[in-house]
Amino acid sequence: EAQVTQNPRYLITVTGKKLTVTCSQNMNHEYMSWYRQDPGLGLRQIYYSMNVEVTDKGDVPEGYKVSRKEKRNFPLILESPSPNQTSLYFCASSLGQGAQPQHFGDGTRLSIL
Amino acid sequence: GQNIDQPTEMTATEGAIVQINCTYQTSGFNGLFWYQQHAGEAPTFLSYNVLDGLEEKGRFSSFLSRSKGYSYLLLKELQMKDSASYLCAVSGGSTLGRLYFGRGTQLTVWP
Repeated sequence: EAQVTQNPRYLITVTGKKLTVTCSQNMNHEYMSWYRQDPGLGLRQIYYSMNVEVTDKGDVPEGYKVSRKEKRNFPLILESPSPNQTSLYFCASSLGQGAQPQHFGDGTRLSIL
Repeated sequence: GQNIDQPTEMTATEGAIVQINCTYQTSGFNGLFWYQQHAGEAPTFLSYNVLDGLEEKGRFSSFLSRSKGYSYLLLKELQMKDSASYLCAVSGGSTLGRLYFGRGTQLTVWP
């Protein structure tokens, strides 16, 4: 089944404790992206990657890191999480940038205390 | 900067037609998407427009006017299951790799 898989789905952690949210897709998509969704603000792009070893900042990259060493994986790293990073996070992938619809993972709800 | 505007909330009754508008100002334009998002779930793709005009797909249609920076999503024969948030998103940016989302329109369909 074609899908984007995020882990964990839920996480409660404390300020400053490094964490990684994994994202994997099995559709051989070139483009992958991370978003956060906050009430009243909608979906905002954190980082995106148009291919292996190519990543670019989105609207809200501060406090996040990403890497794209393989086509299928695009982990989101919070080196020193803070409470303002409490949010619902979505990973998405598409065949390419631009005209291709994004396939979203089920989301990861992060709470940083 | 980038700006995507859509109404926050709309209500309609079953069987009716509703039009959700979206206006945008972005640097670079490579198409406009509409997504549907039910509460607690991931967004799912509804439609894509890159040229001016109307795209029809079953009960859903989407329209684009690039000169006006305007799009709408038209939902016909509304059903209760259409109650959801509808997200307008523009593909653009200097590398055409960016995707800018509006804040979403929460549609409630009443029986």
